[in-house]
Amino acid sequence: DAKTTQPNSMESNEEEPVHLPCNHSTISGTDYIHWYRQLPSQGPEYVIHGLTSNVNNRMASLAIAEDRKSSTLILHRATLRDAAVYYCILKTSGSRLTFGEGTQLTVNP
Amino acid sequence: KAGVTQTPRYLIKTRGQQVTLSCSPISGHRSVSWYQQTPGQGLQFLFEYFSETQRNKGNFPGRFSGRQFSNSRSEMNVSTLELGDSALYLCASSLEVKNTEAFFGQGTRLTVV
Repeated sequence: DAKTTQPNSMESNEEEPVHLPCNHSTISGTDYIHWYRQLPSQGPEYVIHGLTSNVNNRMASLAIAEDRKSSTLILHRATLRDAAVYYCILKTSGSRLTFGEGTQLTVNP
Repeated sequence: KAGVTQTPRYLIKTRGQQVTLSCSPISGHRSVSWYQQTPGQGLQFLFEYFSETQRNKGNFPGRFSGRQFSNSRSEMNVSTLELGDSALYLCASSLEVKNTEAFFGQGTRLTVV
């Protein structure tokens, strides 16, 4: 699986938007961009995924660069419950997920 | 509908023993994957099963094995336990459709003493 690069940590204030970046310069044309998050003492949780176009769901938005070499996960209004490790993963097919180190998001009240 | 269920939640075993962990996927999901999470190595893929067949295997020794039953429930087994096998073992299930999301269980916390 192609590699992704994320900042180790980011900090945000409650009720403000958060933009979590991910670089994936070696992405191939068939790689989907998936985001998962892991809250303390829980298993990872799916957030969103996309291929080329920007995507929105009830949890977040995914903005994908035109060349697909980077993407940004957007949490529109951070809450304390959003404090977690966020993983950006490139996925070609099947069920296997290759997790990197992720970004630890801290949300300040 | 019920989520992914892993049993037991916590387990303490002695070096040299073997252990079996169980995972019940979401109803209708035929793909089950297993992951090991440790502070040092992070989340690492162990293996993936679909329709009772192992489709993919991570870079783990042969002491780690698994199987899937006809009802899609899966078990993983670790033989001759080592201290380094202490970890959170996570199971994930998904539909057999390319690039759908995976749903994870709460995990089994294994401690080897």
